[in-house]
Amino acid sequence: EAQVTQNPRYLITVTGKKLTVTCSQNMNHEYMSWYRQDPGLGLRQIYYSMNVEVTDKGDVPEGYKVSRKEKRNFPLILESPSPNQTSLYFCASNQGLYSNQPQHFGDGTRLSIL
Amino acid sequence: AQSVAQPEDQVNVAEGNPLTVKCTYSVSGNPYLFWYVQYPNRGLQFLLKYITGDNLVKGSYGFEAEFNKSQTSFHLKKPSALVSDSALYFCAVRGQMDSSYKLIFGSGTRLLVRP
Repeated sequence: EAQVTQNPRYLITVTGKKLTVTCSQNMNHEYMSWYRQDPGLGLRQIYYSMNVEVTDKGDVPEGYKVSRKEKRNFPLILESPSPNQTSLYFCASNQGLYSNQPQHFGDGTRLSIL
Repeated sequence: AQSVAQPEDQVNVAEGNPLTVKCTYSVSGNPYLFWYVQYPNRGLQFLLKYITGDNLVKGSYGFEAEFNKSQTSFHLKKPSALVSDSALYFCAVRGQMDSSYKLIFGSGTRLLVRP
C-alpha cells in the first residue's frame, strides 16, 4: 500500500530537548515536504526537498532542520524546541517537480512543547 | 503573492441538502487547484483537482468543484450531503510555473452535516 509514515504520532516534551520526527514514503517519490497546521492558519510549509541531498526553506523554517540522505526518508529535526513549535505536523510526498498529481500526506504528528 | 481564501470557518447543512464550500485564490499564471479533506486524527486526503480542461471537476465521495477563472474561484460542491461528510476541508493552489512545487493552503472550512 502506498503510504507516507510519520513517527511518533504524539509527543509531549520540554523546552530545549532535541527531538526528531521521522517521515518515510514507499512510492519512490522525489519530492517531500513538511508542513505545520495551526488553527485558523491552514497548513504552512516548513521545508521541502526536491531530491536526495536537495533541501530548501519553506515559509516558516525558523527553529527546524531537515535532511534527505536517501530518497524515502525526510526527518524533521527540532534542535532546541520551544513552546511556539507546539503544533500538528504533516509530512507529504509527490512524484516530482513537473508532476500535477496531488501530494500524499502522512497521518500527522502532534507535538506539545512544555 | 500566492494566496487562498476560504471565507467561512464553518458550514452547517442538513443531511440530504446540497452543500457548497467556498474557495478563492490568487496565483501568478494558470493554477493547479486541489481540495483535501481531513478527518479527526488523520492526515489530509485528496478529493479532487483541477489541472486544465473542463471547468467542472468530479472527485471522490460524490464531490465536485467548479473552476471559474474570471472569479478566481474553485468552490467545492455536493448535491446531497451525508453526516459522514462532516470534516475539515482545505483548498490549495499551486502556480503551474512554480518551480518549488509549493502548495498554498487556505485556512480550512469545517463542514458540519446534521442528521
